[in-house]
Amino acid sequence: GNSVTQMEGPVTLSEEAFLTINCTYTATGYPSLFWYVQYPGEGLQLLLKATKADDKGSNKGFEATYRKETTSFHLEKGSVQVSDSAVYFCALRGYNTDKLIFGTGTRLQVFP
Amino acid sequence: DVKVTQSSRYLVKRTGEKVFLECVQDMDHENMFWYRQDPGLGLRLIYFSYDVKMKEKGDIPEGYSVSREKKERFSLILESASTNQTSMYLCASSELDRLSNQPQHFGDGTRLSIL
Repeated sequence: GNSVTQMEGPVTLSEEAFLTINCTYTATGYPSLFWYVQYPGEGLQLLLKATKADDKGSNKGFEATYRKETTSFHLEKGSVQVSDSAVYFCALRGYNTDKLIFGTGTRLQVFP
Repeated sequence: DVKVTQSSRYLVKRTGEKVFLECVQDMDHENMFWYRQDPGLGLRLIYFSYDVKMKEKGDIPEGYSVSREKKERFSLILESASTNQTSMYLCASSELDRLSNQPQHFGDGTRLSIL
């Protein structure tokens, strides 16, 4: 079946450091891929998405590219801020379904 | 903006009680979902509904039931609460439109403790 694997956290960085959070997936067909972010005390918000191979999703300085050859959707940001501290979830939606499959989440902590 | 409202942020109940978690969305979405979130396990789908009175089991439906009598409201029911149901519960909604890949919109969650 479909599944999502993302790197365990926490990821601890200093402000202005480069961020990568790895996400790989297993799926049949052509899934759509998402990154969601959960700030402390809140629900999840969509951060970015990509719906086909080689698409790049971007938002708030974050980027992720849908790589079918490596079945990956790694999240990157060139310069993180303290306000980016949150839990980040990679998710997949398979073809012809409305259900999402989530990774286990990666906590990011950014210190000044 | 889409608003998904969960009735309680924090809830404490006792073992064996029947517990109702309520969720309301204001964007006329067809789909509604209930997840539980546990450390190290991410989000796991309990049930979802794609229309009034329609429901489908998710990955972990045991011990739960749901009700959708109106389009905007989706209730999660713990028939007889147990301590292993202590968790964060998240409700979400989305349009029924797979081709455009509309996102799911989440409420702020209910942290439920079963004593």
